[in-house]
Amino acid sequence: NAGVTQTPKFQVLKTGQSMTLQCAQDMNHNSMYWYRQDPGMGLRLIYYSASEGTTDKGEVPNGYNVSRLNKREFSLRLESAAPSQTSVYFCASSTLAGLTDTQYFGPGTRLTVL
Amino acid sequence: AQSVTQPDIHITVSEGASLELRCNYSYGATPYLFWYVQSPGQGLQLLLKYFSGDTLVQGIKGFEAEFKRSQSSFNLRKPSVHWSDAAEYFCAVATLNTGNQFYFGTGTSLTVIP
Repeated sequence: NAGVTQTPKFQVLKTGQSMTLQCAQDMNHNSMYWYRQDPGMGLRLIYYSASEGTTDKGEVPNGYNVSRLNKREFSLRLESAAPSQTSVYFCASSTLAGLTDTQYFGPGTRLTVL
Repeated sequence: AQSVTQPDIHITVSEGASLELRCNYSYGATPYLFWYVQSPGQGLQLLLKYFSGDTLVQGIKGFEAEFKRSQSSFNLRKPSVHWSDAAEYFCAVATLNTGNQFYFGTGTSLTVIP
């Protein structure tokens, strides 16, 4: 049972390049989330999907787009990467729809934008 | 605005000593409160959560937290710390009545000395 998996683990981009971070969960969870973690700032919610077919903005959505491809997969896309998007990105999932349930986190993707 | 404050950036305790990590929240309604732990290079794991009822909640790994509405606090405690407790600890709040959001505090880094 893999839980929440994220690919890639590491990525280096140049300013202006685009990329998609992939997240998948095998726990049949309804909700999925994307966070970024920056030193001294904790984790900040970028987008979440309470159920298949729905997405909602979190605290810091600007510069990102998301797709809930199916119940298992939730991708995060950077259309034109900027140095301010250098961060560690975490995907999470939870059983219930909404933000009050226990979240299970993936191992993270470390992204550097030069 | 809703927020979570963890006033201690870093705490050092001796193995076997007691531990208290502070968390204060700013939210008008009854909050949904969480404590998560992050080991180095890992994702986050839920320690415990509070929604309603008994204000003293028990979690995994021997941790407990007490909700005090009068102080807007949700402090995490452990009576006897083990070396394996060294990690980063995050308090978090889910807010539902003014737009669904999830906020993490900035974290407290715990060092355990033998």
